[in-house]
Amino acid sequence: GIQVEQSPPDLILQEGANSTLRCNFSDSVNNLQWFHQNPWGQLINLFYIPSGTKQNGRLSATTVATERYSLLYISSSQTTDSGVYFCAVEPGSQGNLIFGKGTKLSVKP
Amino acid sequence: NAGVMQNPRHLVRRRGQEARLRCSPMKGHSHVYWYRQLPEEGLKFMVYLQKENIIDESGMPKERFSAEFPKEGPSILRIQQVVRGDSAAYFCASSISSSGNTIYFGEGSWLTVV
Repeated sequence: GIQVEQSPPDLILQEGANSTLRCNFSDSVNNLQWFHQNPWGQLINLFYIPSGTKQNGRLSATTVATERYSLLYISSSQTTDSGVYFCAVEPGSQGNLIFGKGTKLSVKP
Repeated sequence: NAGVMQNPRHLVRRRGQEARLRCSPMKGHSHVYWYRQLPEEGLKFMVYLQKENIIDESGMPKERFSAEFPKEGPSILRIQQVVRGDSAAYFCASSISSSGNTIYFGEGSWLTVV
């Protein structure tokens, strides 16, 4: 099956720093989404981005489908950005998402 | 426009009891997915349902687990004779169609087996 690899696995930042999270996937996909799981366990949709670039406030994402990777950019990080960031892809048209193992982000004040 | 609603949010069961988790998809969504997240791990797909049909249950354990999405009412994930290893967060998600659209997740149901 498709492999989804996220890097880095762990990231510690000082408040105000910028960061880039990466998601590599091993086959073509019909859907790619980025999620933030906060320290309370809630899973929050960040982007639906099977290709191209999107921005939402301090967050932006770019997916290069032909090269099978996606990047999530966090600028001017805040302590509330802490949590785990998951990339998930839908292989082909099978309907369900396959998740990577996540990047655990800790933003220190 | 309410999101995906799951209940209960937290459930404690003794070994051997049954656990029932409910999920109401977003309004207008007819595709429902269940995922399980074990501690310190990512989410793993369990089952994909449409109204009255199981489309893909390739991620469901073969025994004790079942899921349904009836014509009326919420989707139900049922775990019979729970064991400690079933302790996990169970997330429900829904989408408007089967492929190529945003999948929205509920806030999860945390099952603890004691």
